Amino acid sequence: QAVVTQEPSLTVSPGGTVTLTCGSSTGAVTSGHHAYWCQQKPGQAPRTLIYDTSNKHSWTPARFSGFLLGGKAALILSGAQPEDEADYFCLLSYSVDRRVFGGGTKLTVL
Amino acid sequence: QVQLVESGGGVVQPGGSLRLSCAASGFSFSTSNMHWVRQAPGKGLEWVTFVRSDGKNPYYADSVKGRFTISRDNSKNMLFLQMDSLRAEDTAVFYCAKDLVWGLEYWGQGALVIVSS
Repeated sequence: QAVVTQEPSLTVSPGGTVTLTCGSSTGAVTSGHHAYWCQQKPGQAPRTLIYDTSNKHSWTPARFSGFLLGGKAALILSGAQPEDEADYFCLLSYSVDRRVFGGGTKLTVL
Repeated sequence: QVQLVESGGGVVQPGGSLRLSCAASGFSFSTSNMHWVRQAPGKGLEWVTFVRSDGKNPYYADSVKGRFTISRDNSKNMLFLQMDSLRAEDTAVFYCAKDLVWGLEYWGQGALVIVSS
């Protein structure tokens, strides 16, 4: 069973830039893993940010971007806002019946 | 607007069964692939199961294979999750979600399932 790894916690200053990463125990993350990112605030359901590595939904703020970076999937937040403080989860799809979430990154804006 | 509303959660004893429902509206349910994802209290997300729009050939995570069954009624815009042989480790909030290009698009608010004696 593949393990998907995220930073447990990160801190960013208001207006700053931060990179969240999503790695795989099986090797480099590629476009074939169709990386997905969602944001979850306390007591709320997750909300989609990025799908298929780099595609934004209509509601995704422009300050969020998805990339492949150094063998991992990455979510870059440029110009952090206080409302971006949340948990962020990535999902990698190894096959139709093998989709694995990372453990999540708790992002603090401070 | 798009709505996914889960129901059927509750407290069940180990070894028991529960059936979750998800009522979909605001999009073409009959042509949409769907998922169930769960989240244990204070933990991360876990993908559980996926079904294509026609309801055929569902897929399951190893942790629930043989115990959970996903199904749908496209005539009623409903998604279901039948959960049998429940264990304490199945305690979680269960979300239904619409598929989007190998990911998830819209999420419901979740239904809490507690497996406890």
